[in-house]
Amino acid sequence: QSALTQPASVSGSPGQSITISCTGTSSDVGGYNYVSWYQQHPGKAPKLMIYDVSNRPSGVSNRFSGSKSGNTASLTISGLQAEDEADYYCSSYTSSSTQVFGGGTKLTVL
Amino acid sequence: QVTLRESGPALVKPTQTLTLTCTFSGFSLSTSGMCVSWIRQPPGKALEWLARIDWDDDKYYSTSLKTRLTISKDTSKNQVVLTMTNMDPVDTATYYCARIRIQPYYFDYWGQGTLVTVSS
Repeated sequence: QSALTQPASVSGSPGQSITISCTGTSSDVGGYNYVSWYQQHPGKAPKLMIYDVSNRPSGVSNRFSGSKSGNTASLTISGLQAEDEADYYCSSYTSSSTQVFGGGTKLTVL
Repeated sequence: QVTLRESGPALVKPTQTLTLTCTFSGFSLSTSGMCVSWIRQPPGKALEWLARIDWDDDKYYSTSLKTRLTISKDTSKNQVVLTMTNMDPVDTATYYCARIRIQPYYFDYWGQGTLVTVSS
């Protein structure tokens, strides 16, 4: 299975909104509503931020939201804060009953 | 509360076999729908999914690494073991185990990761 495609980097100023895309195929992102997003700070384990395309786990800020259209999922972070600076990864269930991750996006808060 | 912890050698030589153990608590792998996956991350690079074992002992592997990986579980010890044969320096990475459940298929709890370096 090929990795999902994410932009290598995105940036925004505090208070702004940014969107990170995650493009797959009809065998993964487009075929199932099992897309999740993870935040990873340097030296730390990933943290679940969004599951099932658009659901937030308890404790995750409502500034984080997810959506999907066709084979592309998106993570939007509104009201950017310095603490949001991190790497973000999408993941999807696949038609082979496996999982696949995106290549990761480095978010810089200017 | 749910916790997972990876353990294994920090250093292995090329061609050797790596054995990693994930010891978990707060859930049982005999519970319907429960699964554990292994994921790795080379330094400065992206996450890569490796394998998954389900409560019913079904096993799934990364297509590109399938011939080198074996995943198993010991339900009584709350452990999942991953072996990777023929290790190479490109396999140097932090290896994570994570809990995942069938439908909805997301990784809700992760271990802290263990760095494995492959070098002679």
